[in-house]
Amino acid sequence: NAGVMQNPRHLVRRRGQEARLRCSPMKGHSHVYWYRQLPEEGLKFMVYLQKENIIDESGMPKERFSAEFPKEGPSILRIQQVVRGDSAAYFCASSPLGLAGVVGNNEQFFGPGTRLTVL
Amino acid sequence: KNEVEQSPQNLTAQEGEFITINCSYSVGISALHWLQQHPGGGIVSLFMLSSGKKKHGRLIATINIQEKHSSLHITASHPRDSAVYICAVSIYGGSQGNLIFGKGTKLSVKP
Repeated sequence: NAGVMQNPRHLVRRRGQEARLRCSPMKGHSHVYWYRQLPEEGLKFMVYLQKENIIDESGMPKERFSAEFPKEGPSILRIQQVVRGDSAAYFCASSPLGLAGVVGNNEQFFGPGTRLTVL
Repeated sequence: KNEVEQSPQNLTAQEGEFITINCSYSVGISALHWLQQHPGGGIVSLFMLSSGKKKHGRLIATINIQEKHSSLHITASHPRDSAVYICAVSIYGGSQGNLIFGKGTKLSVKP
């Protein structure tokens, strides 16, 4: 029973390039969350998605960042025209059915993270 | 002031010691999470709780909703417990994924 998978684990991009980060949730999980951890800082929420829906993107920068979770395949976090300030660890987490039961009480399982370095 | 505050920021202990890490928050929450981040960077969810107390092996987490405070205890600490421990909260009425994280407590257990 594989856990949350993220790839690549390390990604190096030059300024102006695009970065695509992939997250495959645990089997049976239909909710995906993306978090960013800047160097020497705490984790910050970015976006919460269900299959084919963005539920909460209040933590996403307004420009250059987008996320999707298609019906088939992994969730993708896309960063266009990367800048040095985008260098960070990006973590994905997943959980089972989210809104069943008490909202906010759904345990999340984290992936190993993708470490993005922008040169 | 951060909405989630942890103390201490850094903690060094000798193997076998009882350890307590504290988390205070200033918002209404629906759940509180304790996470462990290993030196390699991977994150493991230790506990999710909304009331009372939970225990898993040598780890115990408690929460006092009235006082807006939670503690994570480690009994009989071991060098393999060395990691960063992170407290996070889900805001009441907010989306469940929108966690607010503390800055973490870096624990080092010496043999």
